[in-house]
Amino acid sequence: AQTVTQSQPEMSVQEAETVTLSCTYDTSENNYYLFWYKQPPSRQMILVIRQEAYKQQNATENRFSVNFQKAAKSFSLKISDSQLGDTAMYFCAFGAVVGAGGTSYGKLTFGQGTILTVHP
Amino acid sequence: DTEVTQTPKHLVMGMTNKKSLKCEQHMGHRAMYWYKQKAKKPPELMFVYSYEKLSINESVPSRFSPECPNSSLLNLHLHALQPEDSALYLCASSSSGGKPLAKNIQYFGAGTRLSVL
Repeated sequence: AQTVTQSQPEMSVQEAETVTLSCTYDTSENNYYLFWYKQPPSRQMILVIRQEAYKQQNATENRFSVNFQKAAKSFSLKISDSQLGDTAMYFCAFGAVVGAGGTSYGKLTFGQGTILTVHP
Repeated sequence: DTEVTQTPKHLVMGMTNKKSLKCEQHMGHRAMYWYKQKAKKPPELMFVYSYEKLSINESVPSRFSPECPNSSLLNLHLHALQPEDSALYLCASSSSGGKPLAKNIQYFGAGTRLSVL
């Protein structure tokens, strides 16, 4: 079974500054995927960024980037130039395929989340 | 179109009522998921359907009854709920074909906020 740990229950940052959210995981799987999801007060879960474990290059999406350290099982999210709209709960998630063949599907294991507040 | 639509947005029900939550997607996804989420907590997986067949039931009480009548639609039937069942219920879908990455990317609906009185 996989476990995902987010050690920062809450964080805050000033607008335009940079913040890093931490995530560690534990697994015996070889093929897996890592995600950061954002859940603003509207409660809609939004995919922010994804990382394939077999890729060494860290993923980036505009102001969002990750620091993926496979050996250390660490997957942190860096938000640059923070904006008020970044205020949300952020979940780190571990994904792996369950089952075999054409009917297989992905299963996500979520961390406990980090509440990020961006101050003007 | 990467939209998952959930109805209703809000639902208030008594402990003796029967109600249903509905989830719909038109992305051709063949895996659909129900999650329960309490405030400031991560989503908890309840059920997974793959190709309209129940693949995972995470020991959910029988007062929750899922149904997948076709590849685009997922229902959650509710009966004799308890106040502790009050939560946000999220539906998600993902591809069941193609690369493993696509199978792991789940698209979420906006949820149904359920209150049990």
